[in-house]
Amino acid sequence: KNQVEQSPQSLIILEGKNCTLQCNYTVSPFSNLRWYKQDTGRGPVSLTIMTFSENTKSNGRYTATLDADTKQSSLHITASQLSDSASYICVVTAYGQNFVFGPGTRLSVLP
Amino acid sequence: EPEVTQTPSHQVTQMGQEVILRCVPISNHLYFYWYRQILGQKVEFLVSFYNNEISEKSEIFDDQFSVERPDGSNFTLKIRSTKLEDSAMYFCASILRTSSYNEQFFGPGTRLTVL
Repeated sequence: KNQVEQSPQSLIILEGKNCTLQCNYTVSPFSNLRWYKQDTGRGPVSLTIMTFSENTKSNGRYTATLDADTKQSSLHITASQLSDSASYICVVTAYGQNFVFGPGTRLSVLP
Repeated sequence: EPEVTQTPSHQVTQMGQEVILRCVPISNHLYFYWYRQILGQKVEFLVSFYNNEISEKSEIFDDQFSVERPDGSNFTLKIRSTKLEDSAMYFCASILRTSSYNEQFFGPGTRLTVL
């Protein structure tokens, strides 16, 4: 069964600190993996998209990595800001299939 | 920058009533999705729509649900007889197909509250 798991479930960090969120998946055959940021009560917004051949992609202070062999991805946030407080969702797509959503990691950045 | 819009932002209804949630996808997109997110839970796929017909639907998308694109721009989700457990955020997504992947753009969502 295609599944996406994320850890930790929630995370609290101080402003200015770095953090790393994890995503493990069993989706097959793998097509691409995306990270979304979802502010409370809003729709998800795409941060990065990676295909099989890409193992890292950056978007400002966000850097995603992908290890297709171990089926793991991480999202690293550098120099966190209060506005980074949100849920971060890992979404994996298999060829010819729909998107499989992870449960998200709830990040809280405190001043 | 083009964006997906959804109306209303919040809908409150009595159990058993019909609701219609509306979405205006990005104009040159051809693939549309509806998702549901119950408070505190993950986003769940409901249905995908292409070329004026359903291409795939989940187990959640039972006979109480229907979708249509009545006028070539709006994309609607109808719940015929709402239940308490239908209370959730409903997101529309508009898909741009590229050669490498499907870029998916989400609307801001409609919060449905069934009393």
